[in-house]
Amino acid sequence: AQSVTQLDSHVSVSEGTPVLLRCNYSSSYSPSLFWYVQHPNKGLQLLLKYTSAATLVKGINGFEAEFKKSETSFHLTKPSAHMSDAAEYFCVVSENPASKIIFGSGTRLSIRP
Amino acid sequence: SAVISQKPSRDICQRGTSLTIQCQVDSQVTMMFWYRQQPGQSLTLIATANQGSEATYESGFVIDKFPISRPNLTFSTLTVSNMSPEDSSIYLCSVHVRQQFFGPGTRLTVL
Repeated sequence: AQSVTQLDSHVSVSEGTPVLLRCNYSSSYSPSLFWYVQHPNKGLQLLLKYTSAATLVKGINGFEAEFKKSETSFHLTKPSAHMSDAAEYFCVVSENPASKIIFGSGTRLSIRP
Repeated sequence: SAVISQKPSRDICQRGTSLTIQCQVDSQVTMMFWYRQQPGQSLTLIATANQGSEATYESGFVIDKFPISRPNLTFSTLTVSNMSPEDSSIYLCSVHVRQQFFGPGTRLTVL
């Protein structure tokens, strides 16, 4: 069975400082992993995805994530936070790309001016 | 890519009634997924709908409460039956076409 754990329900950083959103996964197979962002009252947007190619994945808006099999982690990072990054972020796992996907509980990112 | 539309976009309903949500995709897909997002919560998978067979429900969700139809490869409906205020959520349908795509959601409020 697959599952995903987002370690922080809320992260607050100052504008211009690095962002780290943590995610650990559990899967019986080689998983596909995703990060989605949801801005208030908006739909879900795919930030990036890992599907067994390069372990360092670059996404949109300067975000990237590194797949670490030994740590079963897929943490999301950004070197410098922007006010527009304030949103809810979901780490998502799938045991193969076309099967059902399981969402983490979400991390709310706040940006301080 | 896939473009997904949902109807209605939002509704306010009385307890004890039922609401059917429609999901239309602009391409043929084998599987369609229905999710629920309760206020301030993450998304939870309700069921997977395959064309020509009964939907597969996740733990905690039953067909009597959330009947699903899948008459063809581009369309599905989810009915929320005998509603209570606890059913107030956003309901989203989703498909996989090279990546997962989500509909805009149906925001349901039950009074």
